[in-house]
Amino acid sequence: DQQVKQNSPSLSVQEGRISILNCDYTNSMFDYFLWYKKYPAEGPTFLISISSIKDKNEDGRFTVFLNKSAKHLSLHIVPSQPGDSAVYFCAARAVMEYGNKLVFGAGTILRVKS
Amino acid sequence: GAGVSQTPSNKVTEKGKYVELRCDPISGHTALYWYRQSLGQGPEFLIYFQGTGAADDSGLPNDRFFAVRPEGSVSTLKIQRTERGDSAVYLCASSLDRETRLFFGPGTRLTVL
Repeated sequence: DQQVKQNSPSLSVQEGRISILNCDYTNSMFDYFLWYKKYPAEGPTFLISISSIKDKNEDGRFTVFLNKSAKHLSLHIVPSQPGDSAVYFCAARAVMEYGNKLVFGAGTILRVKS
Repeated sequence: GAGVSQTPSNKVTEKGKYVELRCDPISGHTALYWYRQSLGQGPEFLIYFQGTGAADDSGLPNDRFFAVRPEGSVSTLKIQRTERGDSAVYLCASSLDRETRLFFGPGTRLTVL
């Protein structure tokens, strides 16, 4: 039973355009959401997060949107750069759990073409 | 400063053998996590240490898996009687405490033949 789903295995975007990565979740007890980026042969690195009390969080080129009623969040990257090419994981934490006991989606491979 | 390091980077073993995977967290980080990433999947939580004690081991798949952190720093994940289904990348992560950001190591790729 996948509680966090990333339904697009891959996404290809032209440099300078917007990249939109989507994530859906099923557990209504999730109260904190994160995006991680992973390059080959490296561990995931934290990108951006959002609490369930907010619907938007922005950090430079990266914005995460949360729609609680739809149990959906998305990561927007504007403008996309070739160095953004990586695997992006959506992750969630349940309100009763310890801080970093996270449930991850399967990931979306982003390719930014120059 | 140095990040989270994991050794070995790759481990190939035969079915039924015992393996140990090591994690060196960032100095001063009290919280340490083990995750496992199977092919085509995201990382899956295994166990969490706060200091020397395992605060939550609910993600360990069965009793063949065991982890220790005897001095509150380095951790070892131990897998007995390995099975082919244990093949995955084992990721270690640390954080200052249980609430702050996770820093992941590069992982150990375990292949069980």
